[in-house]
Amino acid sequence: TAGITQAPTSQILAAGRSMTLRCTQDMRHNAMYWYRQDLGLGLRLIHYSNTAGTTGKGEVPDGYSVSRANTDDFPLTLASAVPSQTSVYFCASSDSTSDTQYFGPGTRLTVL
Amino acid sequence: GQNIDQPTEMTATEGAIVQINCTYQTSGFNGLFWYQQHAGEAPTFLSYNVLDGLEEKGRFSSFLSRSKGYSYLLLKELQMKDSASYLCAVRDGDYKLSFGAGTTVTVRA
Repeated sequence: TAGITQAPTSQILAAGRSMTLRCTQDMRHNAMYWYRQDLGLGLRLIHYSNTAGTTGKGEVPDGYSVSRANTDDFPLTLASAVPSQTSVYFCASSDSTSDTQYFGPGTRLTVL
Repeated sequence: GQNIDQPTEMTATEGAIVQINCTYQTSGFNGLFWYQQHAGEAPTFLSYNVLDGLEEKGRFSSFLSRSKGYSYLLLKELQMKDSASYLCAVRDGDYKLSFGAGTTVTVRA
């Protein structure tokens, strides 16, 4: 099975532009997550969704929005990108909030 | 916020044993995870501890002491392919994962 896919693999974006990072899973997992990973800081939770139709804020939600219209997809939108949003973004999913999280391959985003 | 500490880097020789320590202070506790992450790749699940004691899975073992806020990941019979970053993550009382910054292990021939 494909598991979790993310698109694009990498992107260079001008500051002020908007961007949507895509995440799709085919495991029928209820919970999905978005993290950013920066050198020396580890993975930090941006937003999460415990089930389709619900979302919540993580540790670093400012400047990001998410939606969860169905079980499989969990897009992350940057409305107006800033250079500090340069990072590697990982999507993850788990069967429930009490289960192990599995990660997608990541999107490397550079905001100039 | 959560506080999870692990060493930044460790180096070991092929065939040897390496122990990666992780200490944590979190709001509530619902389990501790170890992930492996090769450069440029996604984190992959290695182990999970929720009760005190040792969990063994092949060459990898993970230990937890909840009273001490302490865990370690033990990698035995090191192979070159074990060169990677190892992430300690704690699930808090709200079932959210908080990650340490990761320990980069370099295996030398």
